[in-house]
Amino acid sequence: EAQVTQNPRYLITVTGKKLTVTCSQNMNHEYMSWYRQDPGLGLRQIYYSMNVEVTDKGDVPEGYKVSRKEKRNFPLILESPSPNQTSLYFCASSLYGVRETQYFGPGTRLLVL
Amino acid sequence: GDSVTQMEGPVTLSEEAFLTINCTYTATGYPSLFWYVQYPGEGLQLLLKATKADDKGSNKGFEATYRKETTSFHLEKGSVQVSDSAVYFCALSVANTGNQFYFGTGTSLTVIP
Repeated sequence: EAQVTQNPRYLITVTGKKLTVTCSQNMNHEYMSWYRQDPGLGLRQIYYSMNVEVTDKGDVPEGYKVSRKEKRNFPLILESPSPNQTSLYFCASSLYGVRETQYFGPGTRLLVL
Repeated sequence: GDSVTQMEGPVTLSEEAFLTINCTYTATGYPSLFWYVQYPGEGLQLLLKATKADDKGSNKGFEATYRKETTSFHLEKGSVQVSDSAVYFCALSVANTGNQFYFGTGTSLTVIP
């Protein structure tokens, strides 16, 4: 089944404890992206990647890192999480870029205490 | 910069009522426009899209027309069903000025029997 998977789905952590949220797609898509969803703000793009080893900042990259070493994986790294990073995170992918349909993962709900 | 403004919610309608959710955009180039839908507890999925002026996207009885003169992409459905209850996001991307994606804040729709 074609899909985008994220792990974990739920995570509670404490301020400053490094964490990684994994994202994987099995559709051979080149474009991958991370978003955060907050009430009243909709979805905001954190980082995106056009292909392996190519990543760029979105609108809200502060406090986040990403890497794209393989085409299928695009992990999101929070080196020192803070409470303002409590949010619902979505990974998405599309075949080539932003003119095409993006396929979203199920989301990761993060609480930083 | 590029942005999307959509109608505030929540919207509550009776089954078989007519639905309009307004969406206007600001873009520096020639955007592609999208409507995504998020059902409770799920990730987003594409509802419809249009990639050039005067294009009409349609799916599952929903329609939206890309109006360059009014910079709008309003979502409409002639007769809503209870199963249409969800959050609807208008979005845009402008491939020739970057590869970012911009979402509106979302409009929550509840359809009552």
